[in-house]
Amino acid sequence: GAGVSQSPSNKVTEKGKDVELRCDPISGHTALYWYRQRLGQGLEFLIYFQGNSAPDKSGLPSDRFSAERTGESVSTLTIQRTQQEDSAVYLCASSSREGGPSDTQYFGPGTRLTVL
Amino acid sequence: AQKITQTQPGMFVQEKEAVTLDCTYDTSDPSYGLFWYKQPSSGEMIFLIYQGSYDQQNATEGRYSLNFQKARKSANLVISASQLGDSAMYFCAMREGLADSWGKLQFGAGTQVVVTP
Repeated sequence: GAGVSQSPSNKVTEKGKDVELRCDPISGHTALYWYRQRLGQGLEFLIYFQGNSAPDKSGLPSDRFSAERTGESVSTLTIQRTQQEDSAVYLCASSSREGGPSDTQYFGPGTRLTVL
Repeated sequence: AQKITQTQPGMFVQEKEAVTLDCTYDTSDPSYGLFWYKQPSSGEMIFLIYQGSYDQQNATEGRYSLNFQKARKSANLVISASQLGDSAMYFCAMREGLADSWGKLQFGAGTQVVVTP
């Protein structure tokens, strides 16, 4: 497809379970980003991958959160031992250039995570 | 500290009218970019318009224009001739040119716009 895709679109899980969220960036985009959006709020940066560089993990809220990316393709965001406060929409974005202020990020539809 | 401030939680606008959404930002970096995104009820973030800190002219994209006042650190979005399909949440975001801020966009809290017939 032409845009960023994410799966699943919705995920309901029980507290304490692990979840994996997937993101397929736009083909050819070297940069990939994960954000979290709690209900009624703006987006919070989580992690950023750029090519083969070490990822910027500065936004990950705890060590229960981790993410991987294979080359310049798919990324998975893993949340271990989920808590109710992890309930949110997780949005993935990708961009085509080597970073810099003008590099526009294009977003996927998000994964809505609900932790019961 | 809040980097992006959107002071209008919600606005009503009549169809065909223009609306201005406020955004102020805080940065000490001379190189930065400002973005506006639209988020309809479907949830997807749609890129609308970009303004670079060194751009001499205000950005325009169709019915969207950005009123960039660098000295005031404001980047207000103007939507002309509002349409019912413009009803959505609008987010202002900034990306700083500092190396350790390279990737992240910092978002404001958003402004909910409702266009009425």
